[in-house]
Amino acid sequence: EPEVTQTPSHQVTQMGQEVILRCVPISNHLYFYWYRQILGQKVEFLVSFYNNEISEKSEIFDDQFSVERPDGSNFTLKIRSTKLEDSAMYFCASYVQIVETQYFGPGTRLLVL
Amino acid sequence: QKEVEQDPGPLSVPEGAIVSLNCTYSNSAFQYFMWYRQYSRKGPELLMYTYSSGNKEDGRFTAQVDKSSKYISLFIRDSQPSDSATYLCAMARKAAGNKLTFGGGTRVLVKP
Repeated sequence: EPEVTQTPSHQVTQMGQEVILRCVPISNHLYFYWYRQILGQKVEFLVSFYNNEISEKSEIFDDQFSVERPDGSNFTLKIRSTKLEDSAMYFCASYVQIVETQYFGPGTRLLVL
Repeated sequence: QKEVEQDPGPLSVPEGAIVSLNCTYSNSAFQYFMWYRQYSRKGPELLMYTYSSGNKEDGRFTAQVDKSSKYISLFIRDSQPSDSATYLCAMARKAAGNKLTFGGGTRVLVKP
């Protein structure tokens, strides 16, 4: 069964460093998303991406965040200057209208020290 | 008022019992309703989705949506220890491709 994959599974970084989280969505899906989950809290929407542009973003998704689909398969989330409060599990998801729901990847656990 | 509310549990049941989970929501614009299962430190795994009001059954799982009461439910029949996980409800507005708004999750423990 097709699935969303994410790399790395874990990343530890120093505050102020840039990180790039990578995702490979399901191949025929057209909509892509990033969500995050701070330990013990709700899953929160960050951004959605369709047709090579951001379609919606949350208040969390400020100028420190950016997304890109550099080729036909990868979808990335970049955090330019990480803060301690960026420590969370980051989930990528993808969607196609034929199946009316979003499929999530296993997540990248980001720890900012 | 939070957009989506879900009792955090934990909900502890004996093996074989029916697990009953629910969420309430405040935004009447929600039309797509999903249930995800999440094991510790893993990604949400889709269980069921429902459009608008009504019931949907899939094996041991039944999802119900009552839009008039802004209330959704998930029932798990013949629960197994492997059903022990956190169950998340999620909702979207005009299309399931819109951003999902999640409840906080209910932790379920099925005891052998």
